[in-house]
Amino acid sequence: ETGVTQSPTHLIKTRGQQVTLRCSSQSGHNTVSWYQQALGQGPQFIFQYYREEENGRGNFPPRFSGLQFPNYSSELNVNALELDDSALYLCASRASGNTGELFFGEGSRLTVL
Amino acid sequence: AQSVTQLGSHVSVSEGALVLLRCNYSSSVPPYLFWYVQYPNQGLQLLLKYTSAATLVKGINGFEAEFKKSETSFHLTKPSAHMSDAAEYFCAVTLGGGSEKLVFGKGTKLTVNP
Repeated sequence: ETGVTQSPTHLIKTRGQQVTLRCSSQSGHNTVSWYQQALGQGPQFIFQYYREEENGRGNFPPRFSGLQFPNYSSELNVNALELDDSALYLCASRASGNTGELFFGEGSRLTVL
Repeated sequence: AQSVTQLGSHVSVSEGALVLLRCNYSSSVPPYLFWYVQYPNQGLQLLLKYTSAATLVKGINGFEAEFKKSETSFHLTKPSAHMSDAAEYFCAVTLGGGSEKLVFGKGTKLTVNP
């Protein structure tokens, strides 16, 4: 039990649609990051938020965007879905100063048809 | 840019045997190194972390890893495998700092045979 919860756990969308994934972090964890894990691959960093501001981004296009809220919740939004967006999306939170010590949720599995 | 290579996408051992999962990293500055474990249908869980305090790092569930700068390696070991160790293991690297990202390897799936 990591204290990080994600919703929905599974969802199916069609190409071109938009999706919003949600995450509730551990209380006190003011840094949240999102990762994409394609089948058979390691997680890839999408972006990180600290105190509601994006402060790090991986090699993902602008149609991947996010929000972080004061209540330790956050969202990942993906517009204009493509087939290659099918993956497990993981939310992870950490406390300030604990470099790399991430607490992961169980993920949202997105299938794009 | 930092990167991680995990040798062997699948490793199979017998219960009670030594577990050795290999990880080599590439980094232009002293890195922070991690091993995470992922059980089926779950998120990732931190096993252990290297931050330059000691080269031999002990983690949870009897796992440990040794940082070898000369070999740019951070292999994960456990003296005696248990059936509950069956999972996927990921090595990761970051340069640290406030705005960092973890760069993960592709993972090694560990099977433990009775």
